Amino acid sequence: NAGVTQTPKFQVLKTGQSMTLQCAQDMNHNSMYWYRQDPGMGLRLIYYSASEGTTDKGEVPNGYNVSRLNKREFSLRLESAAPSQTSVYFCASSSVVASYNEQFFGPGTRLTVL
Amino acid sequence: TQLLEQSPQFLSIQEGENLTVYCNSSSVFSSLQWYRQEPGEGPVLLVTVVTGGEVKKLKRLTFQFGDARKDSSLHITAAQPGDTGLYLCAGRGTYKYIFGTGTRLKVLA
Repeated sequence: NAGVTQTPKFQVLKTGQSMTLQCAQDMNHNSMYWYRQDPGMGLRLIYYSASEGTTDKGEVPNGYNVSRLNKREFSLRLESAAPSQTSVYFCASSSVVASYNEQFFGPGTRLTVL
Repeated sequence: TQLLEQSPQFLSIQEGENLTVYCNSSSVFSSLQWYRQEPGEGPVLLVTVVTGGEVKKLKRLTFQFGDARKDSSLHITAAQPGDTGLYLCAGRGTYKYIFGTGTRLKVLA
């Protein structure tokens, strides 16, 4: 099992360019998430998908769109990148254990917007 | 807005020392998780606590959930260089889990 995989690992964009971050999981999890991690700010939820066919905004959704392509794949799109979107992006999936979720994270994508 | 504050932000100690990391909030959480993140990797779940006053042990790591379910602590006994990393707490909030800002621990050999 590969767990949660993300591509690419690194990316440099110019302001105004667009790109899609890809995420896939092979654990048959229903829920998937996109977070960004900035220094001193912990992880902040951008969007999540509770199940195939549904997506919801998280804490910081502005400037991003998502697609839950199927149960395995959840992509994050930046339509017009801005320097404020320079960050490390993590995808996660989760299984429900009793009353809480266990989240499994991918290795991250390091994005720099110039 | 639910916030989780962790302290200290940075901690550098010698191998063999004990340490405690704190995670505090003014909000009540139904459950709280602790993760460890190593450089260049995603966070890895260490433990979930769900009951006020609950204590869980994972080898040399002891996790406690406050009685009022607003705070938690992580105690490491006899720290080792392999414990080095970023420790994150996460509480179940409105937007699923809310993460704290993290404690960066460095254990020197």
